[in-house]
Amino acid sequence: QMHLQESGPGLLRPSETLSLTCTVSGGVISSSYYWGWIRQSPGKGLEWIGGVFYGGQSFYNPSLESRVAISVDTSKNQFSLKVTSLTTADTAVYYCARQGVFFWSGSYRPGSPDYWGQGTLVTVSS
Amino acid sequence: QSVLTQPPSVSGAPGQRVTISCTGNSSNIGAGYAVQWYQHVPGTAPKLLIYDLTTRPSGVPDRFSGSKSGTSASLAITGLQAEDEADYYCQSYDNSLSGLLVFGGGTKLTVL
Repeated sequence: QMHLQESGPGLLRPSETLSLTCTVSGGVISSSYYWGWIRQSPGKGLEWIGGVFYGGQSFYNPSLESRVAISVDTSKNQFSLKVTSLTTADTAVYYCARQGVFFWSGSYRPGSPDYWGQGTLVTVSS
Repeated sequence: QSVLTQPPSVSGAPGQRVTISCTGNSSNIGAGYAVQWYQHVPGTAPKLLIYDLTTRPSGVPDRFSGSKSGTSASLAITGLQAEDEADYYCQSYDNSLSGLLVFGGGTKLTVL
């Protein structure tokens, strides 16, 4: 059974950089899936952050693209999220997820998440 | 402001039927893109409930069903049970975002 687990710091200061790692077990990250991050701010809905294919191709939510990077480490069966220039608005529960593949306009995009991690709370506060 | 609009809350008594709507436009649901539904109990991992508009993954009871009309999709839950109390999210794709995925704002289901 596929299992994903997020890890990383729970408390950061404004302007710092968030780094989270998702460890995948029960499956191989170098398979035909995207691996993505989704977050939920307090009192709000789910927001897709971005996704990466094991070969390195990545896509990001345009609203976050300038501050976000997602990478994959196939040797460790992990993928990671970096968010720079944090503000209090980045306070959220961050989920990692396996995403399918969606074919759009001649290329493949990150598809719908099917397996999710439990989520990790990240608080940005001075 | 989410691209897909859901009612903030719905409620129903045990055994009843409830529906949750997900309203989009011609760039997403109306464009014919797949719609997915997720069940989320706070503090746990969200669970895929319905994919490709009407398909249930293995293990999801047939009390859950999906449908679509025009630019809106709906999730129906029949024979409501206490364990169904959760947040429900729809998800699709959007042409105006170059085919990237979008979520609804979520609907809190309360079982009375």
